[in-house]
Amino acid sequence: AQTVTQSQPEMSVQEAETVTLSCTYDTSESDYYLFWYKQPPSRQMILVIRQEAYKQQNATENRFSVNFQKAAKSFSLKISDSQLGDAAMYFCAYRSRTGTASKLTFGTGTRLQVTL
Amino acid sequence: EPEVTQTPSHQVTQMGQEVILRCVPISNHLYFYWYRQILGQKVEFLVSFYNNEISEKSEIFDDQFSVERPDGSNFTLKIRSTKLEDSAMYFCASSVGRRLNTEAFFGQGTRLTVV
Repeated sequence: AQTVTQSQPEMSVQEAETVTLSCTYDTSESDYYLFWYKQPPSRQMILVIRQEAYKQQNATENRFSVNFQKAAKSFSLKISDSQLGDAAMYFCAYRSRTGTASKLTFGTGTRLQVTL
Repeated sequence: EPEVTQTPSHQVTQMGQEVILRCVPISNHLYFYWYRQILGQKVEFLVSFYNNEISEKSEIFDDQFSVERPDGSNFTLKIRSTKLEDSAMYFCASSVGRRLNTEAFFGQGTRLTVV
């Protein structure tokens, strides 16, 4: 079974600064997807960024980028030019790309605070 | 922009009562999911549904739980006899496919409180 670990329960960043959230995962599969979801106080889960494991290039979405290290099974999220609206819980998630498994396996989350 | 819609946003029920949580997935999506998040904990997979049958379920999804797509648009989660530990946020999600376009779109959630 796959597991996802987020070792930082809470992080804090000043507005306009850069912060990196860590995520590691364990799997025996070679083909899969990794995601970062944002959960603001409204509790809705919003997709931030997605990475296909077969792609070596790190995904980027505006101020959000990832550092995907497949051999190390590491998938960190970098938020540049942090904004107050970035304050939320961030969940790393894994999804298999093979077989019948289509569920997302989530980490325990990192609460990001953004300060002035 | 199409979205997944869940109703109600908050439901309070007495222990032992049956509850039905409702979801309207995005119209051209084929895969449907329920997830649960107990307050302060991680989001956990409950069940996935495709072609009018369960494709995968977790250990949490025991005989007290059932899912149904009664009319081609709604996707429901039923808890037959609620327990205090069923209190959680329940998220519905849908995706176009399992392998192609793997993004799962989540609804805003239903907060279930069992008293």
